[in-house]
Amino acid sequence: DAMVIQNPRYQVTQFGKPVTLSCSQTLNHNVMYWYQQKSSQAPKLLFHYYDKDFNNEADTPDNFQSRRPNTSFCFLDIRSPGLGDAAMYLCATKDRASNQPQHFGDGTRLSIL
Amino acid sequence: GESVGLHLPTLSVQEGDNSIINCAYSNSASDYFIWYKQESGKGPQFIIDIRSNMDKRQGQRVTVLLNKTVKHLSLQIAATQPGDSAVYFCAERANSKLTFGKGITLSVRP
Repeated sequence: DAMVIQNPRYQVTQFGKPVTLSCSQTLNHNVMYWYQQKSSQAPKLLFHYYDKDFNNEADTPDNFQSRRPNTSFCFLDIRSPGLGDAAMYLCATKDRASNQPQHFGDGTRLSIL
Repeated sequence: GESVGLHLPTLSVQEGDNSIINCAYSNSASDYFIWYKQESGKGPQFIIDIRSNMDKRQGQRVTVLLNKTVKHLSLQIAATQPGDSAVYFCAERANSKLTFGKGITLSVRP
């Protein structure tokens, strides 16, 4: 089935050790989003790609970076994770020309030791 | 470890009753609204949407009402089932950006 797949589902890293989360999609959508969701809070948009055009939210820390090597894959890199970065990270996709809403993956839960 | 988050407000309903979940949105320029359901350990799942030129839209067992005058959105679930237990988020779109509201936990009593 067409879907948004996030790997791994659970990731543990050490304080300050770089970590990469991945997202792939089979929907051929031209927009991919990364959200951060902390416990009992709403998802918060970090950035998105429209094709290869990167769009950062103004309040996203520089510690968070992203790469989109092709239509299907998008990566979230956290350069020096702090304890406050422990959260669920959600990837979503959308066809910009479509009226359909964003389609979410099941997220990666990141823990920091 | 993970920071301690806020506890979400909870709506508790009896199985079979109707549920009404309310949301206040903030941006009068928002042109599109979505309700998402999020089960534990999963991503948000689309339930129903409505555009700003409408005030009501119905799906299977769900209805969304939009009152632009007071910037209020509601989700009605008919004959609530145990499988409806989840966190529900409203989201508004303005200038192509989707912003989520605070979630509400729906708990269904057997």
